[in-house]
Amino acid sequence: QTVVTQEPSLTVSPGGTVTLTCASSTGAVTTGFFPSWFQQKPGQAPRALIYSTFNKYSWTPARFSGSLLGGKAALTLSGVQSEDEAEYYCVLYSGGGIQVFGGGTKLTVL
Amino acid sequence: QVQLVESGGGVVQPGRSLRLACAASGFTFSNYAMHWVRRAPGKGLEWVAVISFDGNSKYYADFVKGRFTISRDNSRHAVYLQMNSLRGDDTAVYYCAKGEDFLTGLNGPLFDYWGQGTQVTVFS
Repeated sequence: QTVVTQEPSLTVSPGGTVTLTCASSTGAVTTGFFPSWFQQKPGQAPRALIYSTFNKYSWTPARFSGSLLGGKAALTLSGVQSEDEAEYYCVLYSGGGIQVFGGGTKLTVL
Repeated sequence: QVQLVESGGGVVQPGRSLRLACAASGFTFSNYAMHWVRRAPGKGLEWVAVISFDGNSKYYADFVKGRFTISRDNSRHAVYLQMNSLRGDDTAVYYCAKGEDFLTGLNGPLFDYWGQGTQVTVFS
């Protein structure tokens, strides 16, 4: 079964830029994996940020962007704010109706 | 506005069963697939199952195959997760999430709306 790997933790300074990545054990991530990204804060349900690689929702702050980078899906936060401290998850479609979440990245703003 | 409200969680002994329900409102329910996702203590999000807009296709994560069954009732705007032979490692918050539109498929929004979750604890 596909394993999806994310950085366990990252630290960024307020106002800085950080890129989170999402890799597949099956090889390079392409648009055909339809990567999505989510933010989750303690005690809250996940909040969708990006779908199908780079598409934003109406509620997605402009500082969040999705892309493909070096064979991985990527989520870039530019001009990080303290409220962005959270866990971030990607999910990839692995075929046959199956979705696989990554292990999540804990982002600290310090 | 889209709302998803889960119910049916609780404390259950290993080997027993629970049926979760998710009541949906605010969108054309019969046009969308629906997913169940869980988060166990100290772990990340884990996809559990999906059911197509018409209920004809169902897919499961390997760890629940043969034990869990997803179903839906489009007339009641509800999706269900029947969980049998529960184990300690099934302890988690279970979320339902709105899936893909049958027209746009995976190219469109999916997992765009989530419920607040229902706690399932398997404890002897």
